[in-house]
Amino acid sequence: KNEVEQSPQNLTAQEGEFITINCSYSVGISALHWLQQHPGGGIVSLFMLSSGKKKHGRLIATINIQEKHSSLHITASHPRDSAVYICAVLFMNYGGATNKLIFGTGTLLAVQP
Amino acid sequence: AAGVIQSPRHLIKEKRETATLKCYPIPRHDTVYWYQQGPGQDPQFLISFYEKMQSDKGSIPDRFSAQQFSDYHSELNMSSLELGDSALYFCASSRRDYTGGELFFGEGSRLTVL
Repeated sequence: KNEVEQSPQNLTAQEGEFITINCSYSVGISALHWLQQHPGGGIVSLFMLSSGKKKHGRLIATINIQEKHSSLHITASHPRDSAVYICAVLFMNYGGATNKLIFGTGTLLAVQP
Repeated sequence: AAGVIQSPRHLIKEKRETATLKCYPIPRHDTVYWYQQGPGQDPQFLISFYEKMQSDKGSIPDRFSAQQFSDYHSELNMSSLELGDSALYFCASSRRDYTGGELFFGEGSRLTVL
């Protein structure tokens, strides 16, 4: 069982739809990142969360530390949102800050016009 | 604003050759992470450095070594290259605090081993 799991693995949506991608993790973490990667491209950090909720444009990310769960929402989806969305967690190191980022399996999102 | 700079962006090598990838973190970032992403695969953590010392080690082969220099840039050295080393190598940097710090990724260095 992966320490970081995402669902769904693949998602096809129509332009304008509301999209939710989920991430569950099984370890204590100090922070969680939502990342975006376009095919053949670099990785862009969308959010870093340690609690609560963050919003940036049409993107919203939430985290529930007690339930070890985070969600990424995309409102009014657009074809340019098509990419792989990756949840990555920083292990909690009780001796101090962590150094190991563990990636989830990624969610391939295709938004059709 | 300055981002994480990786060089070279593309590199082609023959089997058994050596390669060196460089990563220049965002100014004032003290932590560097290296990741390897094979074709169609998730990024795999290789190694990280904090304040020029190795802080964590992942699935980095013994043929690879890395270090962080006094100016905080990092180099990943790969020797006796194999076909399976062909991948996109990402570097990320952060300024470490108790939460780990905001993470910024470079564009990656694509290594092709022939």
